[in-house]
Amino acid sequence: DIQMTQSPSSLSASVGDRVTITCRASQSISRYLNWYQQTPGKAPKLLIHAASSLQSGVPSSFSGSGSGTDFALTISSLQPEDFATYYCQQSYSMPYTFGQGTKVEIK
Amino acid sequence: QVQVVQSGAEVKKPGASVKVPCKASGDTFSSYYLHWVRQVPGQGLEWMGIINPTTGSTSYAQKFQGRVTMTRDTSTSTVYMELSSLRSEDTAVYYCARARGAADGIDYWGQGTLVTVSS
Repeated sequence: DIQMTQSPSSLSASVGDRVTITCRASQSISRYLNWYQQTPGKAPKLLIHAASSLQSGVPSSFSGSGSGTDFALTISSLQPEDFATYYCQQSYSMPYTFGQGTKVEIK
Repeated sequence: QVQVVQSGAEVKKPGASVKVPCKASGDTFSSYYLHWVRQVPGQGLEWMGIINPTTGSTSYAQKFQGRVTMTRDTSTSTVYMELSSLRSEDTAVYYCARARGAADGIDYWGQGTLVTVSS
């Protein structure tokens, strides 16, 4: 199975901050990398697919980059509604594993 | 408007089985794949498997092989996830979620079904 490792596991930031979360795959996954946002009690929401394609309806403050084994999710200016847990997921080969999550908290 | 609708909470005893239904509407049954993802309370997301509703073909995570079965009923556009030999560690929210292609991002999620395993 492909292991997905996110860092950091949690971070504290202020509204307006630029935030970057990284995700590393244990082997090359080309650009088969998706990012999700989850708030407490809710289902995950797809933000980015294919490493850098913004899902319809998602603010342009979110962006994704990377290929191969190293990927990043950047929020250019953190908004109050962005405080959540973020997960990466590889869809290169089954099982489609998730990272352990990164919790973004208010400083 | 695509919707993925799941059933309400279930309570099961250890050793029992649970069969969770999931109905996707607003799109043709044959034009997407359905994933099952679970989340133990306070923990991360865990991918369980995928079903192609058109062919019925499935792929399961090794961790659940032998205990999970995903099926579909084309007459009602419903898919099912059955997990057997339940143990307390299977207490989780089970999500059904749709993707356009097998390797695409999962774009529509159900609200989740909480399965509680307790004696």
